[in-house]
Amino acid sequence: EDQVTQSPEALRLQEGESSSLNCSYTVSGLRGLFWYRQDPGKGPEFLFTLYSAGEEKEKERLKATLTKKESFLHITAPKPEDSATYLCAVQRVNYGGSQGNLIFGKGTKLSVKP
Amino acid sequence: ETGVTQTPRHLVMGMTNKKSLKCEQHLGHNAMYWYKQSAKKPLELMFVYNFKEQTENNSVPSRFSPECPNSSHLFLHLHTLQPEDSALYLCASSQSLGGYDTIYFGEGSWLTVV
Repeated sequence: EDQVTQSPEALRLQEGESSSLNCSYTVSGLRGLFWYRQDPGKGPEFLFTLYSAGEEKEKERLKATLTKKESFLHITAPKPEDSATYLCAVQRVNYGGSQGNLIFGKGTKLSVKP
Repeated sequence: ETGVTQTPRHLVMGMTNKKSLKCEQHLGHNAMYWYKQSAKKPLELMFVYNFKEQTENNSVPSRFSPECPNSSHLFLHLHTLQPEDSALYLCASSQSLGGYDTIYFGEGSWLTVV
């Protein structure tokens, strides 16, 4: 069964304290892995897409990496404004007439204290 | 600022009411989606439309009725809902269903069923 597991569920950091969020997945055929940021009461905001093992992408203090079984979202010297829930999702390769869609994890709630 | 606009942002309805959620995307995309987000659960795909045609119904109860009059607009008609249907309903769009297309989300409509 296709599954996405994110850990930890919640993470509290001090401002400037770097850390990583984990997204492990099992999927029959991976088309892409997506990272989203979601602020309270708002919709998910797209951050990155990774397509193949070994790929890395960066945006400001965030860096996403991908292996064949998991993805990491590294946060370097975080600031309070980085506080949010980070969602990981995988998109499956289409098989026959079925449409690939996103399978989401439950998210990691990040809190960064000044 | 999001290219996917949802209204209303908040809705409280009784179990015997009929109401509708509206979504409009300004991105020129051809595929639109409804997702449900409940507390402590991953986002759940409800419906998928591609060029106005429904391509996926993820075993959603008939008290939820989608409508897609054109590629830019998507509605979710609600009737005789249950309290457990209270959740954040997210509309999303992508350029197409195939390919390597990012799914972009709206801000969501918070639904409370009393």
